[in-house]
Amino acid sequence: AQSVAQPEDQVNVAEGNPLTVKCTYSVSGNPYLFWYVQYPNRGLQFLLKYITGDNLVKGSYGFEAEFNKSQTSFHLKKPSALVSDSALYFCAVRGSNSGYALNFGKGTSLLVTP
Amino acid sequence: DGGITQSPKYLFRKEGQNVTLSCEQNLNHDAMYWYRQDPGQGLRLIYYSQIVNDFQKGDIAEGYSVSREKKESFPLTVTSAQKNPTAFYLCASSIGRHTDTQYFGPGTRLTVL
Repeated sequence: AQSVAQPEDQVNVAEGNPLTVKCTYSVSGNPYLFWYVQYPNRGLQFLLKYITGDNLVKGSYGFEAEFNKSQTSFHLKKPSALVSDSALYFCAVRGSNSGYALNFGKGTSLLVTP
Repeated sequence: DGGITQSPKYLFRKEGQNVTLSCEQNLNHDAMYWYRQDPGQGLRLIYYSQIVNDFQKGDIAEGYSVSREKKESFPLTVTSAQKNPTAFYLCASSIGRHTDTQYFGPGTRLTVL
C-alpha cells in the first residue's frame, strides 16, 4: 500500500522568508513523487516531480523539493515567499510496483503575510 | 489547467437524480482519472482508465459510473446511490506511463439540494 502524510494543516510565513511544506511517504518499490498547488475553486497545477537522479528537484515559480530516501521525505521549499504563493499544496506519490493512480496527501494550506 | 476541460463548472442536483459530469482532453493522453475532493480530506480516486473501453474502480467507486468510448472523453455519472455527492470533482489525464505527470482540469462543484 502507498500513502502520503502532510503533517501540517497550515503553514504561516512572512513575505520574503523561506518556506517549507513537509511531506513524508510510504510506497512499494521506487517512489515517484509530485507536488501540486491549488488556488480556490480551481484545479491542481503541477509544480515539480522526482522520478530518479538528483535529490534536489527544481520546479515552477521558484519552488524546489528535496528527496530524502532514508527519511522517506519530499519537502517543498522556496527561498523567498511571495504573498501570491498563498494556496493549498498537495504532495502525491506513486510506487513503481503500484498502479497508475496517485495517492495524495490531505493538503497543506500556505498563508504568506505581507 | 492545460488542455483538459470540465463542464459544467457548477452543478446542482436534487436528491434521487443522476447527473453526468463531462471531462474532455485534447492532449492525446491515454490515461484519464476522476477524483473527488472534500475539505480536509485531499483527493480520493473514484475511477481511472488507462485505455479506451477499459476502466478500473478506485478507492471510492460506489455510487459512481464511468465510460470511455473515446480517447478524449471520460464522463462521470453520479448516481442516486451515492449518498453524499456534494463535493468538488476533478478530472485528470496523463500519457499513461508510471513516471508521468497527471494534469488536471478546472473542476466541477456539485451540490445536492
